[in-house]
Amino acid sequence: ILNVEQSPQSLHVQEGDSTNFTCSFPSSNFYALHWYRWETAKSPEALFVMTLNGDEKKKGRISATLNTKEGYSYLYIKGSQPEDSATYLCALTNTGNQFYFGTGTSLTVIP
Amino acid sequence: EPEVTQTPSHQVTQMGQEVILRCVPISNHLYFYWYRQILGQKVEFLVSFYNNEISEKSEIFDDQFSVERPDGSNFTLKIRSTKLEDSAMYFCASRQPQGANQPQHFGDGTRLSIL
Repeated sequence: ILNVEQSPQSLHVQEGDSTNFTCSFPSSNFYALHWYRWETAKSPEALFVMTLNGDEKKKGRISATLNTKEGYSYLYIKGSQPEDSATYLCALTNTGNQFYFGTGTSLTVIP
Repeated sequence: EPEVTQTPSHQVTQMGQEVILRCVPISNHLYFYWYRQILGQKVEFLVSFYNNEISEKSEIFDDQFSVERPDGSNFTLKIRSTKLEDSAMYFCASRQPQGANQPQHFGDGTRLSIL
């Protein structure tokens, strides 16, 4: 079992604030890291798939970076909006077939 | 946009009974997955399936569990002799086969309640 940790567990920010959170993972045998956005009562929605050390991906106001040597990825949200409120999950795979999820960071954006 | 669909959305079953959870993956996807999330805990990998056989399975996926792709569209998870601790949300996911860059697409889940 690969231990994937996410911090903080929950976060409350004011609308318009920028925020970031962390996914930490064992750096050996890295294959890919996935970020998902999960709204209550919906299915997890893929945000990014990151495979290379130093990868930076961006989708609108959300971006992510990856450091496979030290075993972490950051997710950034610029100018948070209430619709960004969700749980953000990261998942690590070292084979492409088995995924280990973190506990998620629950983000609440206060209008 | 194509979706992964899961049925039923909620299943209530007596302990000891068998349940079958159904999933219809996205049609051109070739990798399929089952996950579960016990309330308040992490999403846990159960099994991955490719080319009509299990690719990998976790230690959770013991003899009580089985998966099947009976007709080329459905992907089912069978849980035999259910236990109280099998109560969880069960998610199906699928993805395209082209390497590590393809994300998984998840269904909305089936909430399984064992009484």
